[in-house]
Order: sequence, then structure tokens, then C-alpha cells
Amino acid sequence: AQKVTQAQTEISVVEKEDVTLDCVYETRDTTYYLFWYKQPPSGELVFLIRRNSFDEQNEISGRYSWNFQKSTSSFNFTITASQVVDSAVYFCALGPLYGNKLVFGAGTILRVKS
Amino acid sequence: EAQVTQNPRYLITVTGKKLTVTCSQNMNHEYMSWYRQDPGLGLRQIYYSMNVEVTDKGDVPEGYKVSRKEKRNFPLILESPSPNQTSLYFCASSLSRLAGGTQETQYFGPGTRLLVL
Repeated sequence: AQKVTQAQTEISVVEKEDVTLDCVYETRDTTYYLFWYKQPPSGELVFLIRRNSFDEQNEISGRYSWNFQKSTSSFNFTITASQVVDSAVYFCALGPLYGNKLVFGAGTILRVKS
Repeated sequence: EAQVTQNPRYLITVTGKKLTVTCSQNMNHEYMSWYRQDPGLGLRQIYYSMNVEVTDKGDVPEGYKVSRKEKRNFPLILESPSPNQTSLYFCASSLSRLAGGTQETQYFGPGTRLLVL
């Protein structure tokens, strides 16, 4: 069975702090995709990144970076110099290589205070 | 503009009164799916559709029906809503694995908040 665990239910930081959101997954598949989505207070789901299991290179996009470690089944997300606009719920999700179903973690609420 | 739309965005209803939440996408995606979001549980898949007239159950299908008569539309039907179906519902679409070969990114609608009294 596939499972995604986001152990941090809620994180509070002060603006400009760096923050890392943890994601640990379980799957028997040898190849798969991992995703991060952002859900701001307005409620919509915003796609952030898709990473396939072939590629363990870390990725950086502006203040966002992702650390994928297959050995520990983790796909952590770091926001550098956090801003109030980063306040949202962040979801990590796992999907098969061939197929469309996504399994989501419970989400992490990030609160960035000014 | 490429998008997934849902209607209504907010709905309050009473137990047993049939309702339909519509979902439409303009990206010619084969794959569409419904999820519900509940606190502490993340999003869970209700039903999905690989293409027109092809639907299948997700993880939590009880109490829901779907249909896919047209490629762009994928309505979610609650024949007899109950309070435990109070939730935030999302429709999503993506290219099918049959077309893309590998999982494509799913794009989500804005969500429908449902309260069943």
C-alpha cells in the first residue's frame, strides 16, 4: 500500500526564517512520482513541483528547494527567507509512474508571522 | 485560460436531498478525478475517470456517484447526502497515462465546500 506521512501538523515561523516541511512516503513501486501542492487560505490547490524517482537531484526554484532522498524515502521542501504570503497548507503526494491516482499526506499548516 | 471549474463553490443542504456538483475542464484532458479533503486526512480520492464512459472507484466511493458522458464534464452526485459527507471537494484533471505514457500533473478546480445538516 502507498502512504505519505507529513509528521508536522503545524509550523509557525517569523518572517525571513528558513523552514523545512518534511515528507516521508511508503511504496512498493520502484518507480513513482512525488508532488508538492500549496493550499493558500483562499482554498485552491496550487501545483508546486513534480519529481520522478529516477532523478534524485535536488531542485531549487527561487526561495523554494526540494531535497529528494530515495534511501530514506523522503521528499522535503524548504522555503528560504519565508514571507507572510507563504502561509498556507502544504501537501505532499505520491503517484505511480504509469497511472493517475495520487495519495496525499495529511498536510502541514505553515504560519509565517511578520 | 486553461482551467478546471466547479459549481457551486459553496453549498448548504439537508440530509437526504439529492445534489450534484459539476466539474468542467477546458484542456481536453482524458483523466478526471474527485477528491474530498478532511482535516488531518489530506485529500482522498472518491472516483476517477480515464475517459468518456470509463469510471472507477477511488478510496472512498460510498455515498457518491459519477458520470462521464462528455470529455470535459465530470459531475459528482450525492443521491442522499449525510452529515459525514460535509467536506471540501476538489475536481482534478490531467492527461491520461495512455496519452502521456507517464503520470501527468493533475490540475485542481477551486473546490466546493459542502455542509450537510
